[in-house]
Amino acid sequence: DARVTQTPRHKVTEMGQEVTMRCQPILGHNTVFWYRQTMMQGLELLAYFRNRAPLDDSGMPKDRFSAEMPDATLATLKIQPSEPRDSAVYFCASGSTGSSYNSPLHFGNGTRLTVT
Amino acid sequence: KQEVTQIPAALSVPEGENLVLNCSFTDSAIYNLQWFRQDPGKGLTSLLLIQSSQREQTSGRLNASLDKSSGRSTLYIAASQPGDSATYLCAVSSGGSNYKLTFGKGTLLTVNP
Repeated sequence: DARVTQTPRHKVTEMGQEVTMRCQPILGHNTVFWYRQTMMQGLELLAYFRNRAPLDDSGMPKDRFSAEMPDATLATLKIQPSEPRDSAVYFCASGSTGSSYNSPLHFGNGTRLTVT
Repeated sequence: KQEVTQIPAALSVPEGENLVLNCSFTDSAIYNLQWFRQDPGKGLTSLLLIQSSQREQTSGRLNASLDKSSGRSTLYIAASQPGDSATYLCAVSSGGSNYKLTFGKGTLLTVNP
């Protein structure tokens, strides 16, 4: 049963430290998304890639966040330096998209980040 | 800017009841709409996807409808069970190759045995 894998599941770090979250999308999916979930804001889109190219990262604070897809099996989200307001659950999701078709999205189980 | 609203925010029902969850969106120019389920500490699981040209989709005890012109969707759950307890989220896609989902904040459903 194919699924999206995220690591780590939990991360506690001190303010100012660098945090890297990793995602392995489902093989064959051409689109990868990063979402952040908080109680106050719900799910917010941070960035997404299609065929490894970044399409939209307008939801990301550019000064501290960066997202990359070094290859088709790995997506990364990095925060440097981290701040307490970055505490949230970060989800990766993957799917197949084309000009006339979007498949349902598959989500990973998330990385719960706590910045103290 | 697309906004998605889900009502109610929380719902508690006895086992066996049929129930309806509501979702509304402000911009009717959508490509598709998805309903997701989220269990505590887990990611989202896609339940149903309705293309903009469709009116409804069914999967088992679940039926989702879409009225694009009025900006509304409903998720109907028949004969609810305690295992249906979860948060249900609605999300709309802005279109085709520009596959961006805007999520509602969800409805927390509790089905009491």
